[in-house]
Amino acid sequence: DIQMTQSPSSLSASVGDRVTITCRASQSIARFLNWYQQKPGMAPKLLIYDVSSLQSGVPSRFSGTGSGTDFTLTISGLQPEDFATYYCQHTYSSPQAFGQGTRLEI
Amino acid sequence: QVQLVQSGAEVKKPGSSVKVSCKASGDTFSTHDITWVRQAPGQGLEWMGGIIPIFGTPHYAQKFQGRVTVSADESTSTAYMELSSLKSDDTAVYFCARGRRPGYNAASDIWGQGTTVTVSS
Repeated sequence: DIQMTQSPSSLSASVGDRVTITCRASQSIARFLNWYQQKPGMAPKLLIYDVSSLQSGVPSRFSGTGSGTDFTLTISGLQPEDFATYYCQHTYSSPQAFGQGTRLEI
Repeated sequence: QVQLVQSGAEVKKPGSSVKVSCKASGDTFSTHDITWVRQAPGQGLEWMGGIIPIFGTPHYAQKFQGRVTVSADESTSTAYMELSSLKSDDTAVYFCARGRRPGYNAASDIWGQGTTVTVSS
């Protein structure tokens, strides 16, 4: 099984900051890497799919890069509504594992 | 706009089984991967398995192999996840989600509201 390792596990930032979250796969997953945002009591929301494609309706301050095993999610110009938990997930093969999450706090 | 509506909360005894349903509106049910993800209290997301209804063959995480059954009924656009031999650490919110494009390898763009399953004696 492919393991996904996210870092950091938590992150403190301020409105207007630029933050980066990283995700490493235990083996190459080509471009099958996705990012989700989850707020308490809610279902996850897809932000980025296939490394760098922005899901419809997601603000352009979210961006993704990477290839192979190393990937990043960047949020440029944090907004109050961005404080949440972020997860990476690969969809290369089954099981389509998630990272352990990054909690973004004010 | 496709929506996924899940069945209601369940309270189960250890050793019993639970079956959660996920009904899709819209016409893109059969060709898209419907996956099941759970989240224990205060924990992260855990992928359990999925199915593309038109193919009918489910795929599972090894961790749940033998205990989970994922199925789909194309006539009612409903997917199901049944988990057996329940233990207290199966207490979680269970989500269904739909792949954003037909076939495998797709990110999940539509999610159900979640079903809380509590396992307690």
